[in-house]
Amino acid sequence: DAGITQSPRYKITETGRQVTLMCHQTWSHSYMFWYRQDLGHGLRLIYYSAAADITDKGEVPDGYVVSRSKTENFPLTLESATRSQTSVYFCASSRGGGASTDTQYFGPGTRLTVL
Amino acid sequence: SQQGEEDPQALSIQEGENATMNCSYKTSINNLQWYRQNSGRGLVHLILIRSNEREKHSGRLRVTLDTSKKSSSLLITASRAADTASYFCATDAISGGYNKLIFGAGTRLAVHP
Repeated sequence: DAGITQSPRYKITETGRQVTLMCHQTWSHSYMFWYRQDLGHGLRLIYYSAAADITDKGEVPDGYVVSRSKTENFPLTLESATRSQTSVYFCASSRGGGASTDTQYFGPGTRLTVL
Repeated sequence: SQQGEEDPQALSIQEGENATMNCSYKTSINNLQWYRQNSGRGLVHLILIRSNEREKHSGRLRVTLDTSKKSSSLLITASRAADTASYFCATDAISGGYNKLIFGAGTRLAVHP
């Protein structure tokens, strides 16, 4: 039972480069989320998806792009990385959402450093 | 701005002692969740308490919710070194028709053998 996986686990890139972080879940959960975690800020929602081909912005979406062509995958792309995007990125999934908040299951995280 | 804020930011105790962490939030909620994060790992769900519940137990965990004070507490009894982690409360907030979770900054708990 793989659950939810993220790749790569660690990434170092340079300012201006495009970077894609991958997220894959094996539970067929409808909802998927991308968060970033920075010291003193807890987790902040970047984007979420309610189903394949349905995505919406979270709290801090600027500079990020997402897609969800398949239920199990939810890649996050930084189109032109900036130093302020240095962070730990977590992907999560849940069975439901909408009117009733459901338990979220988190991946192990990707530590991204932008030089 | 954060919906949920934990207090204290850091807590250091000895094994066997109880640990209490508090969470305050600003707006009405449907439910409140507590998560644990071990160093270098993702968050793990601990417990969910609904707005019409006042107390909930799970093993050594006890969660209370006071909607009149907009606050919750997480009590870990008879703590163990393995309980060393960061603990986050998460409250729901409706935005764009979707009920999403908003996390606080967390309480860092250190349990010393």
